[in-house]
Amino acid sequence: GNSVTQMEGPVTLSEEAFLTINCTYTATGYPSLFWYVQYPGEGLQLLLKATKADDKGSNKGFEATYRKETTSFHLEKGSVQVSDSAVYFCALVKVQGAQKLVFGQGTRLTINP
Amino acid sequence: ETGVTQSPTHLIKTRGQQVTLRCSSQSGHNTVSWYQQALGQGPQFIFQYYREEENGRGNFPPRFSGLQFPNYSSELNVNALELDDSALYLCASSTYFGNEQYFGPGTRLTVT
Repeated sequence: GNSVTQMEGPVTLSEEAFLTINCTYTATGYPSLFWYVQYPGEGLQLLLKATKADDKGSNKGFEATYRKETTSFHLEKGSVQVSDSAVYFCALVKVQGAQKLVFGQGTRLTINP
Repeated sequence: ETGVTQSPTHLIKTRGQQVTLRCSSQSGHNTVSWYQQALGQGPQFIFQYYREEENGRGNFPPRFSGLQFPNYSSELNVNALELDDSALYLCASSTYFGNEQYFGPGTRLTVT
């Protein structure tokens, strides 16, 4: 079946550091890939997406590239801020009767000033 | 544009009771999905509704059921609550052929 594996957290960085959160997936065919962010006490917000191989999703300084050859969709940001502290979820969707999102376990990110 | 809303925000129930959670979809969206997020875990797909019918289901028992109304809002019903049902329940709306789902703030259910 389809699955998503994220690097285990928590991840703690200093402000302005470079961020990478690894994500790999297992799926047949060509899923769409997403990163969602969850701030404390809130629901999930769509951060970025990519729908085909070599697509790069980007938003708010975050980027991720759909790498089919390595089945990966790593999240990166060049300079993190304290306000980026949250839990980040990698997810995929394959439309097979239902748009079922399959999530990774989440990575908690804390940015210290 | 109104986003996805859910009610109530928090709920405390006793084991064996029944609960109904509500969701209003984002304007222009006709598909609603429900997810269960246990503490420290990623969300798990419960089911999806389109045109007032269940359009797909995850690995959840039949005591989890739902409804969708003509205005595309939806309810999640859980019967015979168990302690393990304690979680954040998230509703997400989308268009049927779109692959972006937009989430509400969730309902935190505690079963004691």
